[in-house]
Amino acid sequence: GNSVTQMEGPVTLSEEAFLTINCTYTATGYPSLFWYVQYPGEGLQLLLKATKADDKGSNKGFEATYRKETTSFHLEKGSVQVSDSAVYFCALRDTNAGKSTFGDGTTLTVKP
Amino acid sequence: KAGVTQTPRYLIKTRGQQVTLSCSPISGHRSVSWYQQTPGQGLQFLFEYFSETQRNKGNFPGRFSGRQFSNSRSEMNVSTLELGDSALYLCASSRDINEKLFFGSGTQLSVL
Repeated sequence: GNSVTQMEGPVTLSEEAFLTINCTYTATGYPSLFWYVQYPGEGLQLLLKATKADDKGSNKGFEATYRKETTSFHLEKGSVQVSDSAVYFCALRDTNAGKSTFGDGTTLTVKP
Repeated sequence: KAGVTQTPRYLIKTRGQQVTLSCSPISGHRSVSWYQQTPGQGLQFLFEYFSETQRNKGNFPGRFSGRQFSNSRSEMNVSTLELGDSALYLCASSRDINEKLFFGSGTQLSVL
C-alpha cells in the first residue's frame, strides 16, 4: 500500500532560520503530492501541491519539488517567522483510487 | 463561499454509547472523506464517499460507519464507544476524487 514518511519532530528554529522538513513516499502509480498545515486549534489547510514529477509547489514562501527519482517532496522555506509555528503534514493522493495518505506530521516551533 | 462545516464542535460521551458526527462539504464538492487524529497515531484515514458511494475504507473496526446523502452531506457513526475512540475527527471535501482536500475544524470527541 501507499505510505508517507516524514521527518520526525518536533523542530524548533529561531526566526529567519532556514527550514527543511523531509518527506518521502511509497506509492504505486503516479500520485499527487501535498503539504498541509494545521495551526493550533484549527483543521488542516492546503499549503502547496504538485501533481507530476519535477513540478514545484509554492505558497507563502514555502516550496517543495516533486522528485520521482528519490520519491521525495521535501518542504523548504528560506526564512521562517513565528507565525509559521504549526504542524505540517505531507500527503499523497492516489490518482486512481482517490485515497489520501498522510505522514505523521512534524511540529514546527519558531522562536523570536 | 462557506467552508467545510462540522458539527458538533465538541462532544463528550461515555463508554458503550454511540455517536453521530455531521459534515457539510463546500457547495459543489462531491467527495467527502473522514480522518481520525490522535497525538499518538497521527492522521488515520477512515473512509471516503463520492456521490453517495463509499469508495475507500481505512483499517477501522465495523463500529465505525458512515454515509453520504444526495446533497453530499455526510455523517459518521461510531457505536459502542471505547476510551480509545477519543480523538479529533476531521472531515474533508473535494470537488472530485483527485482534487485537493478542504478540511473542517473537526469534532473533538471525548469518551469517558
